[in-house]
Amino acid sequence: EVQLVESGGGLVQPGGSLRLSCAASGFTFSSYWMHWVRQAPGKGLVWVSRIDSDGSSTSYADSVKGRFTISRDNAKNTLYLQMNSLRAEDTAVYYCARVGKKWELDYWGQGTLVTVSS
Amino acid sequence: QSALTQPASMSGSPGQSITISCTGTSSDVGSYNLVSWYQQHPGKAPKLMIYEGSKRPSGVSNRFSGSKSGNTASLTISGLQAEDEADYYCCSYAGSSTLVFGGGTKLTVL
Repeated sequence: EVQLVESGGGLVQPGGSLRLSCAASGFTFSSYWMHWVRQAPGKGLVWVSRIDSDGSSTSYADSVKGRFTISRDNAKNTLYLQMNSLRAEDTAVYYCARVGKKWELDYWGQGTLVTVSS
Repeated sequence: QSALTQPASMSGSPGQSITISCTGTSSDVGSYNLVSWYQQHPGKAPKLMIYEGSKRPSGVSNRFSGSKSGNTASLTISGLQAEDEADYYCCSYAGSSTLVFGGGTKLTVL
């Protein structure tokens, strides 16, 4: 069974940093591209970032470019999102998701809440 | 990276059919047949319902169908059931290995 479990969320002050993790199991993690998607409280889904299967290529939404870094450790079956210079508008539930061949996000984690507030 | 446009809310009675639209541009929906749709119940993670415009993953009811015309994709739910009440999001490949979501549609089953 495919499972994605996020962790690392919490309360952080504006300007601070946080690293999210997404532990994958039930599939060959190193064969799949992975994404991060976020959802502010009461708002819609927003695509954040994506990484290819070996970590050599990444993409970011304009809103996080230069502040967030996506990475992965295929030996540990884990996806990461390093978030720096956090702003109040980064407050959201962050989901990791596996992407299929047709750019569909076929499996999602349960999400981890990041709150940026003083 | 502007969000795709969806109606904020829709409603229907049990047994009826509804169609949710998702309008993008020639840079995303119009250029690629790579639209997916997600269902999200309150407090839950999104669930894939349709991919590649009109394909259903295994286990998704055939009451859900998708289509596309030009820059607009659509999700149709036939034979509405109470359990279909949820938020629905479209998503399209937008080039340069990026994705863009719609703003979401809150579906109420009356």
